[in-house]
Amino acid sequence: GAGVSQSPSNKVTEKGKDVELRCDPISGHTALYWYRQSLGQGLEFLIYFQGNSAPDKSGLPSDRFSAERTGGSVSTLTIQRTQQEDSAVYLCASSHWSGPSFFGPGTRLTVL
Amino acid sequence: QKEVEQDPGPLSVPEGAIVSLNCTYSNSAFQYFMWYRQYSRKGPELLMYTYSSGNKEDGRFTAQVDKSSKYISLFIRDSQPSDSATYLCAPNVETSGSRLTFGEGTQLTVNP
Repeated sequence: GAGVSQSPSNKVTEKGKDVELRCDPISGHTALYWYRQSLGQGLEFLIYFQGNSAPDKSGLPSDRFSAERTGGSVSTLTIQRTQQEDSAVYLCASSHWSGPSFFGPGTRLTVL
Repeated sequence: QKEVEQDPGPLSVPEGAIVSLNCTYSNSAFQYFMWYRQYSRKGPELLMYTYSSGNKEDGRFTAQVDKSSKYISLFIRDSQPSDSATYLCAPNVETSGSRLTFGEGTQLTVNP
């Protein structure tokens, strides 16, 4: 497809488990963003990639959160030792270097 | 002070009404102005994208930017129940290359 895709669409996990969330950006988009959105809340910035580099990872809430991007394309957000407060929708967005961002459908994470 | 202020609503209007959604911002360097629409349990969808001051019209939607007063608006004419969603303004210095700024979003309900 032509849009940003994310997988899985839903993830239910137990407290203390690790999870990996995947984002496939629009082909050719050099910038990639991860955001988090808790129920009824605004967008919380997590990390920004330009190519494979992450010049701004200041939004990652703790060292349990990490992200990587390979080949200037797919990105994976990893949350280790998940906590209940990690429950949220995790959104990925991508953009061309000179254009607006386009969002994926999100991954709904529930930590029991 | 937040960089972007947006009334969270909720805003409820009858079908056919003209809707005005507004944001104020504090950063005079903002020059790109985007509006996103987010349906419940979906990712944000780019609705309008403008550069600098002035108006931009797209069908029933008009985006208006007044940089002198740091005020941006989205007007929806002949509103429809399908317009019921949360609308997020996103004024930014650039469209890419750094973390993006978003308003908290205004929740709109159009009643048939």
